[in-house]
Amino acid sequence: SQTIHQWPATLVQPVGSPLSLECTVEGTSNPNLYWYRQAAGRGLQLLFYSVGIGQISSEVPQNLSASRPQDRQFILSSKKLLLSDSGFYLCAWGTGSPNFEQYFGPGTRLTVT
Amino acid sequence: GENVEQHPSTLSVQEGDSAVIKCTYSDSASNYFPWYKQELGKRPQLIIDIRSNVGEKKDQRIAVTLNKTAKHFSLHITETQPEDSAVYFCAASKGYSTLTFGKGTMLLVSP
Repeated sequence: SQTIHQWPATLVQPVGSPLSLECTVEGTSNPNLYWYRQAAGRGLQLLFYSVGIGQISSEVPQNLSASRPQDRQFILSSKKLLLSDSGFYLCAWGTGSPNFEQYFGPGTRLTVT
Repeated sequence: GENVEQHPSTLSVQEGDSAVIKCTYSDSASNYFPWYKQELGKRPQLIIDIRSNVGEKKDQRIAVTLNKTAKHFSLHITETQPEDSAVYFCAASKGYSTLTFGKGTMLLVSP
C-alpha cells in the first residue's frame, strides 16, 4: 500500500530564515505530487504540483519554490520566510489518469516568528 | 478556471440527525468530485468521491449525489455521530492533475 511521509512535523522559524520541507511517497511509482498550504481556519491553497521528475507547475507566485529531484520526493523551499508563510503545509500524492484521486500527507505546521 | 462554492460554512446538528453539505461548480467539463474530511489538526482524508457518469454513490452512512445539469453535488451524512464533527471539503476536477476545493464546512454534531 502507498504511504506518504512529511518532515518535520512542526517547525518554528524566524522571519528571513530559509525553509526546506520534504515529502516522500512509498509504494507507488511516477505519482503526481502536490504542495498545499492551509492558513488557520481556512481552505486548501494549491502551491505547486508535479507530474514527473523536474516538472513543476506553480499555482501562486510567491517567495516559495518546489523541486522534485527524485520520482517520489518533493521538496518545498524558501530563501527568506515571511510572517505570512505561517500555516499548515500539506503534501499530497495523486493517482493521475484516469482517477485523479489525491491523498494527503500528515502535514508540517510552520510558524514564522 | 474552475470555481467551487460550498454551503453552508458551518452546520450544527444533533446526534442522530442527517447533515447535508452542498457544492456548486462552474466548469461543465469537470468530471471528478471528491469529498474530504479534516479533523482538527489532522490531514484531510478522502471519504467518498463520484464521477460524472454516476448520479449517486453511497458508502454506509455517507452518500454523494451529482446533478450535472445544474452543476451541483452534495454530501449526505445520515445518523450523525459526534465523531462526524470535522471540516468537510468538496472539490472538482476536469480530469487534469489538479483539484479545485471549496472553502469547507465545519460540521458540529452535538450529543
